[in-house]
Amino acid sequence: NAGVMQNPRHLVRRRGQEARLRCSPMKGHSHVYWYRQLPEEGLKFMVYLQKENIIDESGMPKERFSAEFPKEGPSILRIQQVVRGDSAAYFCASSPPETGGWWTDTQYFGPGTRLTVL
Amino acid sequence: RKEVEQDPGPFNVPEGATVAFNCTYSNSASQSFFWYRQDCRKEPKLLMSVYSSGNEDGRFTAQLNRASQYISLLIRDSKLSDSATYLCVVRLNYGGSQGNLIFGKGTKLSVKP
Repeated sequence: NAGVMQNPRHLVRRRGQEARLRCSPMKGHSHVYWYRQLPEEGLKFMVYLQKENIIDESGMPKERFSAEFPKEGPSILRIQQVVRGDSAAYFCASSPPETGGWWTDTQYFGPGTRLTVL
Repeated sequence: RKEVEQDPGPFNVPEGATVAFNCTYSNSASQSFFWYRQDCRKEPKLLMSVYSSGNEDGRFTAQLNRASQYISLLIRDSKLSDSATYLCVVRLNYGGSQGNLIFGKGTKLSVKP
C-alpha cells in the first residue's frame, strides 16, 4: 500500500512564475490536508479538502494561493506569481474516511515538495 | 500565546539516557493529541497518539493532563536512532474525527554515543 505521494520533490521557480504542487493520498483516503513549513519553523495548516470540496481554507493566504481536489486525480496546490517568501517545504497529509471512530483522525504525511523561489 | 508550546531544546543526551519532552496547548477545545517525529528535511511521522489514560509503546510513554492542558513524552534507554525533532501536535474539536493539526515548533533531540 503506497503512502502519500507528492511531486515534484523539489521545485525551483523564479519570482513571478507559477508553482503547482501535486499530492496523491493513500489508497482509500478521502481527506487531504496541506501544510507549509518555513525554514526553522513549525508546520502550519493551509487547507483541508475532500473530493471536489474545500472544507477549510482558513490557513491559506488570501491571494495567489489556491487548492483543489478533483473527482479524479491528485490534489493540486497552486501558487501564482511566487515570491521569495513562498520558499518552504509544502507537505500534504491524508486521512481515512470518517467512520465515527477516533482512530480515523490520524494523518499520514507525504515526503513534501521543497519550493525554492529565486 | 502560541497554540502549542514546547521546550525549546536542543536536548543533547548520551545513549541510554531517559529524556522527557513537555508541551502545553492553549485551546481547551483540543480533542486529539499526538507526538510526531521529524528527521532533518523529512516529513513528520506519527510516533504515537496520546490518550487521557496515558499510553506506552515500548520505550516511549505519553501522558495527557487535560486540566492543565499539558502533554508529555518520555523516552527511556535512548538510542542513536532516536535523534530527531519531536513535534507536539493537537487537533481541535470541530465535530467528527477530522480537522487540521496544530503543530508545536518541535524539540530537537541529539543522542550521542
